[in-house]
Amino acid sequence: GAVVSQHPSWVICKSGTSVKIECRSLDFQATTMFWYRQFPKQSLMLMATSNEGSKATYEQGVEKDKFLINHASLTLSTLTVTSAHPEDSSFYICSARVNLNQPQHFGDGTRLSIL
Amino acid sequence: EDKVVQSPLSLVVHEGDTVTLNCSYEVTNFRSLLWYKQEKKAPTFLFMLTSSGIEKKSGRLSSILDKKELFSILNITATQTGDSAVYLCAVAPNAGNNRKLIWGLGTSLAVNP
Repeated sequence: GAVVSQHPSWVICKSGTSVKIECRSLDFQATTMFWYRQFPKQSLMLMATSNEGSKATYEQGVEKDKFLINHASLTLSTLTVTSAHPEDSSFYICSARVNLNQPQHFGDGTRLSIL
Repeated sequence: EDKVVQSPLSLVVHEGDTVTLNCSYEVTNFRSLLWYKQEKKAPTFLFMLTSSGIEKKSGRLSSILDKKELFSILNITATQTGDSAVYLCAVAPNAGNNRKLIWGLGTSLAVNP
């Protein structure tokens, strides 16, 4: 149980392209989903928290117009990196949680490479 | 300021050894402590601890929480090369918007054959 599917797992695209990443909870309903970014050999950096049907809460320093988050249902959240540039290249990971008393479960992550 | 500190930062052992990873925390309004294992992809959930002194066990892995001394340990017995990973500790506070996790930097474990 508690499976989170993230798609795509790898994206390579040209600078200026917008990229959408999907995060789905397959066997549970996720009240809250989280989006993280991770650089090589560094810890997870929380970008934003999204609750179903509400606007996402972004962490300090994360541009909400750059990283668009939609959490339209209890099983799906999307992150769109708009007009991506090489500095946006990173490993993006989503997680989902049923409620405060349950752990976050992570998707497999998306490696984004902007040329 | 809330923080989670893991030690050691890295560890190299031989197959069959037993390892103990440490996680100490200073968090206002503690709710739970979580352990995750991260290999090449995203973290996988290991344990969630909320009560002091109650050991959680899964195969060769076990963990316990001490809420008085504010730390947790993760034990791995009879280590195997497949245990090589970064082990992450995180604390969930009981206050603040969305109760976001406070993460440690992780312990990088390498198990050599």
